[in-house]
Amino acid sequence: QKEVEQNSGPLSVPEGAIASLNCTYSDRGSQSFFWYRQYSGKSPELIMFIYSNGDKEDGRFTAQLNKASQYVSLLIRDSQPSDSATYLCAVNYSGGYNKLIFGAGTRLAVHP
Amino acid sequence: SQTIHQWPATLVQPVGSPLSLECTVEGTSNPNLYWYRQAAGRGLQLLFYSVGIGQISSEVPQNLSASRPQDRQFILSSKKLLLSDSGFYLCAWGNSGGLQPQHFGDGTRLSIL
Repeated sequence: QKEVEQNSGPLSVPEGAIASLNCTYSDRGSQSFFWYRQYSGKSPELIMFIYSNGDKEDGRFTAQLNKASQYVSLLIRDSQPSDSATYLCAVNYSGGYNKLIFGAGTRLAVHP
Repeated sequence: SQTIHQWPATLVQPVGSPLSLECTVEGTSNPNLYWYRQAAGRGLQLLFYSVGIGQISSEVPQNLSASRPQDRQFILSSKKLLLSDSGFYLCAWGNSGGLQPQHFGDGTRLSIL
């Protein structure tokens, strides 16, 4: 069974610090990787995607991918209290149909 | 731009009652459509997905069914709800082909009494 693993947290960081969220996946054939943010009681919102090894930056967010290690991470620079949410890592299922496999999420708490 | 509508936002139903949740997508053609369930404090469980009208794939055996009567309409149903059907139901769409992200509706919070 294909899996995506995330530390459930909570990850607590002070305002202004860098938050580092990590994810490992088991499907070696996966080619696309996504990070979603989910506020309590709300639906997930796509914030980043990455397809190639290395780093991809978008504003305060940086996604990092290492396919050899089957590892994806999300860095949030200058963390704000509004970043407090659960972050879901999702990986495409290599068997087709554009299915995504989701991790259970890491809860991030940014304290002032 | 594409939008996805899901309703109702909340629903309280007695055990044994029927269920119908509807999801529609605007601004795109022939999307892939998905139904997920999220139990409290848990991850997303894929229930059904559809790559076209009338084409439904079920991921897990359960008390629910799905239908896609039109290209951009996806319906989740049950004839008799169980207590275990409680949860947060999310509809999502994605572009067909390629390695595309999925985009979620606002969800329906279903409570079974």
